[in-house]
Amino acid sequence: GDSVTQMEGPVTLSEEAFLTINCTYTATGYPSLFWYVQYPGEGLQLLLKATKADDKGSNKGFEATYRKETTSFHLEKGSVQVSDSAVYFCALSEGYSSASKIIFGSGTRLSIRP
Amino acid sequence: GAGVSQSPSNKVTEKGKDVELRCDPISGHTALYWYRQSLGQGLEFLIYFQGNSAPDKSGLPSDRFSAERTGGSVSTLTIQRTQQEDSAVYLCASSTARQPTYNEQFFGPGTRLTVL
Repeated sequence: GDSVTQMEGPVTLSEEAFLTINCTYTATGYPSLFWYVQYPGEGLQLLLKATKADDKGSNKGFEATYRKETTSFHLEKGSVQVSDSAVYFCALSEGYSSASKIIFGSGTRLSIRP
Repeated sequence: GAGVSQSPSNKVTEKGKDVELRCDPISGHTALYWYRQSLGQGLEFLIYFQGNSAPDKSGLPSDRFSAERTGGSVSTLTIQRTQQEDSAVYLCASSTARQPTYNEQFFGPGTRLTVL
């Protein structure tokens, strides 16, 4: 079945460091790919998405590119802030033209030191 | 506008009791999903409803779990004869069925269930 594998955490970085969180997926078709974020004490929220190969999703300085050839969707940010401390989930959805369940990775906890 | 709401926010129950968890999706969203988040299992899909179609129940872990959606809006997740391994945060999400945002799911704050 479909699955998502992401980098295990926790990841601890200093403020202004470069961030990469690796994510790879297994899917039978052409899924949509997502990064969701869960800030401390808050609910899960969509950070960015990409729906087809070579698409780049971006939001709040974060970026991820849908790489079909390597089945990857790595999350990057050039300069992290303390406020980026959260748990990040890579995810996929197989829905082509209608709603479909999301399959999540195990999550990566990110902590940023001032 | 209002987001997805869930109630109660916290539920403590005794092993063997039944519980009902409620979800109010975003108005106009035709798709509704239930997930649970636990330390050992991460984020797991449970069930989803899309319009008038039969629900996809493929993620329900046992026949003690059931869900219904009345009038295409509010949904109730019922867990019968609760067990300690049911302790988790139960998340509800909703989405539109329209392009291009049909697969963007908006999550509620969750119900934290503790089974003693």
